[in-house]
Parts: sequence; C-alpha cells; structure tokens
Amino acid sequence: DGGITQSPKYLFRKEGQNVTLSCEQNLNHDAMYWYRQDPGQGLRLIYYSQIVNDFQKGDIAEGYSVSREKKESFPLTVTSAQKNPTAFYLCASSGWSGANVLTFGAGSRLTVL
Amino acid sequence: DQQVKQNSPSLSVQEGRISILNCDYTNSMFDYFLWYKKYPAEGPTFLISISSIKDKNEDGRFTVFLNKSAKHLSLHIVPSQPGDSAVYFCAASAGQAGTALIFGKGTTLSVSS
Repeated sequence: DGGITQSPKYLFRKEGQNVTLSCEQNLNHDAMYWYRQDPGQGLRLIYYSQIVNDFQKGDIAEGYSVSREKKESFPLTVTSAQKNPTAFYLCASSGWSGANVLTFGAGSRLTVL
Repeated sequence: DQQVKQNSPSLSVQEGRISILNCDYTNSMFDYFLWYKKYPAEGPTFLISISSIKDKNEDGRFTVFLNKSAKHLSLHIVPSQPGDSAVYFCAASAGQAGTALIFGKGTTLSVSS
C-alpha cells in the first residue's frame, strides 16, 4: 500500500540533544512537507521541499534542519537551538494536482525531558 | 497574521443533525480550499476540497460552500454521526502545486448519540 511512514512514533529527548525524525514515502510524490502541531495552534509549516536537493523554510524553521537527498525521504532534525521542541510532528507529501492535496503520515510525538 | 481562521474552537451536535464548520480567509490569491479531519495522535486525512471558481462541492454527507465575496467557506456534514467526532482543519493553497497548505487552528466537533 502506498503511503507515508514516520518514525519513531514516540521519542524522548534530553535538553541539549539533537534528534532526527524520519519520513519516507512511496507515493512517488515530488513535494514533501514538515508541520508541527501544538494544542490550539493548528498545523504550522516548518520546512517543505518541492524537488530533490532543494527545500524552503516555512513559518517556524528556526531550530530545525532538513535534507532531501532522495525523492522518497525527507528527514527532520530538531536541534538543541529549538526553544520548545515538545510537539507532535507531521510529515506530508503531494503530487502535482491542482488542489494540492497533501497526504499525511501518522505523526511523531517528541517530548523533551 | 493568520491568513486562515477558524473562529470556533469547538462545536457540539446531536447525532443525525447537521454540523456546520466555518472558516474565514484573508488572502484573495488562494485558489483551492481543503478540509481535513484529524483524530488524536494520528495524521490528518483529506475530506473534501473546492476550487475558488466554484461555490459548492459535495461528496456524500460532506458539502463545502465557498463565498468568495465574504472570503468565507463552510463544511456541512449531514447527517452527523458519532464517528465524525474529531478536529476539523480548514486549509488553503495559493499558487502552483507543491506549494505548502496554510491551515487554520481547527475546530473540535463532538457528535453525541
């Protein structure tokens, strides 16, 4: 079945540590995205990539980094510079349809201890 | 400044009745509007979309209405079912496919039996 796989589902991190969240898709989509969800805040865009080896900052990119070396993969690194990293992280992808429907993964919950 | 606003954080409806979720936007360049449904600790799932050149789109129990002059759209669910209880996000897209969606903060719908 085609879809988006995010791992790990739950992750705990000590303050000062970097952590990388994995996102893999087998939908043959060109564009991939990372959003963050906080209670009452909706979904806020961190980074997105429209093509391999290219990506753009979203509204809340500070403290995060990404890479897009393969079409199928778009990992997100949460660095120690991110002030409030505890959140639910969502990866998505889209093809080149007019409505730009995003398909989301199941999410990763990061908790900083 | 929020470009997509969902001003009602929550809505409670009885089973069998109509649920109406509202969304306002500020950017007249948006060309597609989408609704997503989200359960806790899961990724959002796409429900229905509407092009800015239409004023209504229907898919089973779900209908989206767009009023461009008022920069307002609404999602109608008829009849509402307990399984519809979830957070509903309104999202908007501007420009080419592969551009990130802009989401509202969501409305939590509770359908009681």
